[in-house]
Amino acid sequence: DTEVTQTPKHLVMGMTNKKSLKCEQHMGHRAMYWYKQKAKKPPELMFVYSYEKLSINESVPSRFSPECPNSSLLNLHLHALQPEDSALYLCASSQERLAGPYEQYFGPGTRLTVT
Amino acid sequence: DAKTTQPNSMESNEEEPVHLPCNHSTISGTDYIHWYRQLPSQGPEYVIHGLTSNVNNRMASLAIAEDRKSSTLILHRATLRDAAVYYCILRAYGGATNKLIFGTGTLLAVQP
Repeated sequence: DTEVTQTPKHLVMGMTNKKSLKCEQHMGHRAMYWYKQKAKKPPELMFVYSYEKLSINESVPSRFSPECPNSSLLNLHLHALQPEDSALYLCASSQERLAGPYEQYFGPGTRLTVT
Repeated sequence: DAKTTQPNSMESNEEEPVHLPCNHSTISGTDYIHWYRQLPSQGPEYVIHGLTSNVNNRMASLAIAEDRKSSTLILHRATLRDAAVYYCILRAYGGATNKLIFGTGTLLAVQP
C-alpha cells in the first residue's frame, strides 16, 4: 500500500471557524510533511515531522497548528484563517534515513476555501 | 538547496519521445537530482532521481550531463496521461531531513 490519504477533499470555512485537516499513511514512514499550494504555483513546504516530532517549521503563522499523534497520522489544525490562506494543502510521507535520497509520497490534497 | 531552471512549458505529440531539460549550474557534489510530476487535480508524484550516472525506471529515464550542471528527463513514448507539471529538484545527500524545494516546473502538454 503506497497510498497517502487526506480528508476532507474540500473544506469551506469562515475566518472565525476552527477546523482540522487529516492525513494518514500505512507505509511505515517516519517522516511526514505539510505543503501549501496556491493556484498555478509550486508546492511550498510548511512543516516536517520526523519520528512524531516537529523538525522543521518554515516560519508558518501560528493560526496553522500541526500535530502528529502517532507514526501514521498527521493533522493540521486551522484557526482564524484569512482568505489568502485558501489553497490546496498537501500531505506527504517518506522513509526517514539519515543518508541517501528517498522519495516522498503525496496525498491528493485538501482544497481549502476561507470565506 | 541549489536552484534549478526549467522551461515554463513544452508540447509533445502522443507516442513520441519527450525530453524535458533542467539546468542546475550551482549544483554541489552531494546534491541528488529528483524529478516529480503533478497531474491535474492530484498531488505530486515521484518520477526518478539520480546523482551522477544516467538512470532508468519504468516511468522515465534521467540523463545527467558529465559536469552535472544540467539534466534531462526523457519520457520514451508520451501518452495523454503524461500531461502534467514536471518539477526538477535538487536535494542534498546526507541531510537529516528530506526537504524538497519545488521550482516553477515545466507544464507538458501532450497532443493526440
